[in-house]
Amino acid sequence: QLQLQESGPGLVKPSETLSLTCTVSGGSIRSSLYYWGWIRQSPGRGLEWIGSIYNSGSTSYNPSLKSRVTISVDTPGNHYSLKLTSVTAADTAVYYCARQRVTPLFDNWGQGTLVTVSS
Amino acid sequence: DIQMTQSPSTLSASVGDRVTITCRASQTINNLLAWYQQKPGKAPKLLIHEASSLESGVPSRFTGSGSGTEFTLTISSLQPDDFATYYCQQYNTYQRTFGQGTKLEIK
Repeated sequence: QLQLQESGPGLVKPSETLSLTCTVSGGSIRSSLYYWGWIRQSPGRGLEWIGSIYNSGSTSYNPSLKSRVTISVDTPGNHYSLKLTSVTAADTAVYYCARQRVTPLFDNWGQGTLVTVSS
Repeated sequence: DIQMTQSPSTLSASVGDRVTITCRASQTINNLLAWYQQKPGKAPKLLIHEASSLESGVPSRFTGSGSGTEFTLTISSLQPDDFATYYCQQYNTYQRTFGQGTKLEIK
């Protein structure tokens, strides 16, 4: 059974970089059928797609966040990562990693991790 | 980007009721619409894709319909497990976007 698990700091200071990792188990990140995505959720912004990556390293990003986002993949380690730079309080959210189909909807999600941006 | 607007924001209903949630897109999305269910403290769960195709394991009391810019999610006979927040998501464009959610609560 596929499982995704987010990990990383729960508190990040303003202007610093948010870094999260999603570890995939019960399935291979090398699968040709799927992409791997990040989505966040906050009371103010609702659910917001951040970006996605394929096992080749090919990425797609939400244009509203593109200048600050980097997603990378580690296929031997079966995990992928998110970096969001220059964070502000507006980036406080629950961050989810999720498996994305070729048609970009999300069919398996991690449990989510709350990241708070505060000094 | 395409804006997705759900109505109502909150819906109060009883077990056994039939309920309908509406999702409107700011432009046509070619039926590339998904519905998710989210319970408190949990991740969203995919229920329906391509506006009306039920995911495996989702009860048949859930029905999706619509086309163009207006879509609905109907639950034919509410069960206690159905009280949750529901979100639509369009995936017609590169910048996939979600509705703001409809909270279905017990009357």
